[in-house]
Amino acid sequence: DGGITQSPKYLFRKEGQNVTLSCEQNLNHDAMYWYRQDPGQGLRLIYYSQIVNDFQKGDIAEGYSVSREKKESFPLTVTSAQKNPTAFYLCASSPRQGGSYEQYFGPGTRLTVT
Amino acid sequence: RKEVEQDPGPFNVPEGATVAFNCTYSNSASQSFFWYRQDCRKEPKLLMSVYSSGNEDGRFTAQLNRASQYISLLIRDSKLSDSATYLCVVNYWDQGGKLIFGQGTELSVKP
Repeated sequence: DGGITQSPKYLFRKEGQNVTLSCEQNLNHDAMYWYRQDPGQGLRLIYYSQIVNDFQKGDIAEGYSVSREKKESFPLTVTSAQKNPTAFYLCASSPRQGGSYEQYFGPGTRLTVT
Repeated sequence: RKEVEQDPGPFNVPEGATVAFNCTYSNSASQSFFWYRQDCRKEPKLLMSVYSSGNEDGRFTAQLNRASQYISLLIRDSKLSDSATYLCVVNYWDQGGKLIFGQGTELSVKP
């Protein structure tokens, strides 16, 4: 089955610890994205990557880092510098070919930092 | 002004009702438009793209008015399973395919 997987589904960390969220896709999509969603708010873009070994900051990149060493994988690290890391994190991918710019989302990771 | 604004909701309607959601966007250079559906504590799922000529998919009809920078979604003959939050989404091709999401409008369909 083709799709986007994120792991783990729930993650709990102590304040001051870095944590890495996994995102893998087997859709052969070029572009991948990370968003966060907070209660009562729309999704906000953290980082995106249009091609392997390249990525750009989104609107709220501070306190986060990413890598794109493989087309299939786009892990997100939430560092201790992120002031309010507790949120629902969503990874998405997009074909970006032939005018298709819609994005498809993974099931998300709920991160709780205490 | 927010880049994408939606009706605040929630909308509570009986089964079989017709319901319309409205959305406005601020950037006239916006290039692609979508409606996503998000169930409680789940990821957003693409419901339909919105084309300039308007498009229909079963009970769902989407309209786009570029001059007024306005998007709409009409749901006819509402089902209980339509209960969800509907997200209006605008895509900027020239910004890496960045999606801008509205805050969503919650729909609750009652028996």
